[in-house]
Amino acid sequence: QVQLQESGPGLVNPSETLSLTCPVSGGSVSSSYYWSWIRQPPGKGLEWIGYIFYTGSTNYNPSLKSRVTISTDTSKNQFSLKLTSVTAADTAVYYCARDLAGIGHFDSWGQGILVTVSS
Amino acid sequence: QSALTQPASVSGSPGQSITISCTGSSSDVGGYNLVSWYQVYPGKAPKVMISDVSNRPSGVSNRFSGSKSGNTASLTISGLQTEDEADYYCTSYTGDNSPVLFGGGTKLTVL
Repeated sequence: QVQLQESGPGLVNPSETLSLTCPVSGGSVSSSYYWSWIRQPPGKGLEWIGYIFYTGSTNYNPSLKSRVTISTDTSKNQFSLKLTSVTAADTAVYYCARDLAGIGHFDSWGQGILVTVSS
Repeated sequence: QSALTQPASVSGSPGQSITISCTGSSSDVGGYNLVSWYQVYPGKAPKVMISDVSNRPSGVSNRFSGSKSGNTASLTISGLQTEDEADYYCTSYTGDNSPVLFGGGTKLTVL
């Protein structure tokens, strides 16, 4: 397993862009895994946001697709999430995770970061 | 896509067995043997307990087992322990367009 840890601002203004990064330690973001983002709104269940494969191919939740971008930075061995035009409904704990095959089998997770959308 | 259907809560006494269901459709749970189960403690990172319907990762107690029948997958925990009290989520592969779908989650209470 690798070690993952989300980082970024804990407070984002409505209509702005949420940006998070997830450095990968003990492994390489260039290895053949699906680097994923998942979120959990307060009091609600887990929601898959999307992933990026090491080739750069991405796949996103259709409900978020128009606002989401997941990318990798091989020089920093990390992957990132950008979510535009956020509203209060985007307030959630955001997790980064490694999916072994792009099928929902996540073997490594970050601890999660609470991002609140509020002015 | 709607979340896979799980009971909101289940409960059991120490030593008993419980089963948590995860119901989808032929497009997800029923169409692929690619269901995983996660244990989530408050404030902690989720942990995979079962993958590919019934495979138990190394280090996971053999008290946890998974199965599937038709469009419903199940997680069974035998010999319940107080430390099993947590939230449990299932996931299923749903095809290439939007490949991962979570269940709504089940809160397990060990009485």
